[in-house]
Amino acid sequence: GAGVSQSPSNKVTEKGKDVELRCDPISGHTALYWYRQSLGQGLEFLIYFQGNSAPDKSGLPSDRFSAERTGGSVSTLTIQRTQQEDSAVYLCASSQEGSYGYTFGSGTRLTVV
Amino acid sequence: EDQVTQSPEALRLQEGESSSLNCSYTVSGLRGLFWYRQDPGKGPEFLFTLYSAGEEKEKERLKATLTKKESFLHITAPKPEDSATYLCAVQPGGSNYKLTFGKGTLLTVNP
Repeated sequence: GAGVSQSPSNKVTEKGKDVELRCDPISGHTALYWYRQSLGQGLEFLIYFQGNSAPDKSGLPSDRFSAERTGGSVSTLTIQRTQQEDSAVYLCASSQEGSYGYTFGSGTRLTVV
Repeated sequence: EDQVTQSPEALRLQEGESSSLNCSYTVSGLRGLFWYRQDPGKGPEFLFTLYSAGEEKEKERLKATLTKKESFLHITAPKPEDSATYLCAVQPGGSNYKLTFGKGTLLTVNP
């Protein structure tokens, strides 16, 4: 596609429910990243996928968070047993291997009530 | 620990009033410093990458400069459409992908 596509754009969920956030990167981009943007905070790195290499999961805040990338393309970020502190905008980005410039999607705004 | 501090947190300018945004950083070996623009409800949009002290890059009314401790984003004769949050990020030498972001500067340009 022309850009990075994320869905849904907004998600309201009840505390304790599981949610899935989807990211469709730019075609041909081998690297995919998830970041989280909380109110008043800088973007926080969550996870990085590069081709067939093992992902860097070092930024995932707890074992309730997981992510996968199927076929080197679409990625899903799953948050289990959501908590109110999980409320944030979850941003996905992609880039070509070796490129320093990420292209971000518009994000999914997650609200846990 | 890598840190990025942006100042001011918010800046209001009149159209045509030039100013600068600051990004101070501490990082274990700088691989690159990035500037992004973020409009409300959108993801960050890439503006510039700077790699070494003394480097400058320009795009329309924006010019980014880099020293060993900070970067400036100079805005010359801004227009209302330049209103946005400007984000600075650093990539440490030990990583070829992970960025550490500052909290951003919210710029408002009044007509």
